[in-house]
Amino acid sequence: QKEVEQDPGPLSVPEGAIVSLNCTYSNSAFQYFMWYRQYSRKGPELLMYTYSSGNKEDGRFTAQVDKSSKYISLFIRDSQPSDSATYLCAMESGNTGKLIFGQGTTLQVKP
Amino acid sequence: DGGITQSPKYLFRKEGQNVTLSCEQNLNHDAMYWYRQDPGQGLRLIYYSQIVNDFQKGDIAEGYSVSREKKESFPLTVTSAQKNPTAFYLCASRNSGRTDTQYFGPGTRLTVL
Repeated sequence: QKEVEQDPGPLSVPEGAIVSLNCTYSNSAFQYFMWYRQYSRKGPELLMYTYSSGNKEDGRFTAQVDKSSKYISLFIRDSQPSDSATYLCAMESGNTGKLIFGQGTTLQVKP
Repeated sequence: DGGITQSPKYLFRKEGQNVTLSCEQNLNHDAMYWYRQDPGQGLRLIYYSQIVNDFQKGDIAEGYSVSREKKESFPLTVTSAQKNPTAFYLCASRNSGRTDTQYFGPGTRLTVL
């Protein structure tokens, strides 16, 4: 079993839809949770960062962490075609300096 | 203009040849990382370095080697011992102790012919 599980999709939604992306994990020591966005043939860019449980909002993006369920989510409101990309979740325990990544979910937002 | 640069963007090599991928950062970050990305898979850690002249193996270090002689540079050599080297290689850097500062370079796509 992988430490971090993420449905690879693809996920296709119409423009304006609310998108929900999720990851589950097995290591209860994870404390730092990140979402990266990766456009085709580019390096990932950090989208959201959360420490421990709770919600964090940044514009159209909301990250949620539920440590009791070992489940994290990224919500995208009013999705745009420019949001079409692969979204990777990543986690770290303590300050090991080592991120563990999910497989990535490919999202397509259709105009 | 601060950031991470990787070169070349595309690289082709014949089987049996070693090849070195370049990674340079001007962010003054202490730690640097090399990841490999295959289609449909997440990023897998090859090697990382938290300080100059020191580095550790990641999850898939076999067939790879690195050096960290300068803070801003962390080259990766893909040796002929790596059985399946065709992949997208990503370099990253961050401040030690600051998970929220991990940034990636644009990547190098290596194809073995």
